[in-house]
Amino acid sequence: EPEVTQTPSHQVTQMGQEVILRCVPISNHLYFYWYRQILGQKVEFLVSFYNNEISEKSEIFDDQFSVERPDGSNFTLKIRSTKLEDSAMYFCASSVNGVSGANVLTFGAGSRLTVL
Amino acid sequence: DQQVKQNSPSLSVQEGRISILNCDYTNSMFDYFLWYKKYPAEGPTFLISISSIKDKNEDGRFTVFLNKSAKHLSLHIVPSQPGDSAVYFCAATVGGTSYGKLTFGQGTILTVHP
Repeated sequence: EPEVTQTPSHQVTQMGQEVILRCVPISNHLYFYWYRQILGQKVEFLVSFYNNEISEKSEIFDDQFSVERPDGSNFTLKIRSTKLEDSAMYFCASSVNGVSGANVLTFGAGSRLTVL
Repeated sequence: DQQVKQNSPSLSVQEGRISILNCDYTNSMFDYFLWYKKYPAEGPTFLISISSIKDKNEDGRFTVFLNKSAKHLSLHIVPSQPGDSAVYFCAATVGGTSYGKLTFGQGTILTVHP
């Protein structure tokens, strides 16, 4: 069964450093997403991406965050200057459709980011 | 953000019995609801969904019920199996405008005992 692949599975970084989390979405999917889950809290929407641009973003997704699809397969989340509160599990997801209630997202296993 | 709430952090059920997981929402704009299951070290996996124009959707052992007037939905698993032990997330979205923005509940840890 096709799956969303995320790397790294765990990254430890110092506060203020830049971090790039990588994702390979399912090949025929057109919509891509990043979600995060801070330990003990809900899974939260960060951003959706379609046709090489952001479709929607949450208030969490401030200027420190950016997303990119640098080639035909990778989808990346960059945090420019990490803060302690960025420590979380970051989930990438993809879907065939976007603007539909029947839009089923397929999630990756997540990248755990620890900011010291 | 309390738009989607799962008030039971955990549920323990005997194998073969029914598991009922509950979810409440406050945003009347939500018109599509989904349940995701999550095992440790894995991402959430889609389980079943329901549109607001329906009050029930069934898929094998899993049935989701929606009560729009009460803004409440529930997931029934019958019969429960030990392999169903996982965290179950309720999620809601506004179809047509949300671009895949799901609002999740806190999750309920289901444990099915053999």
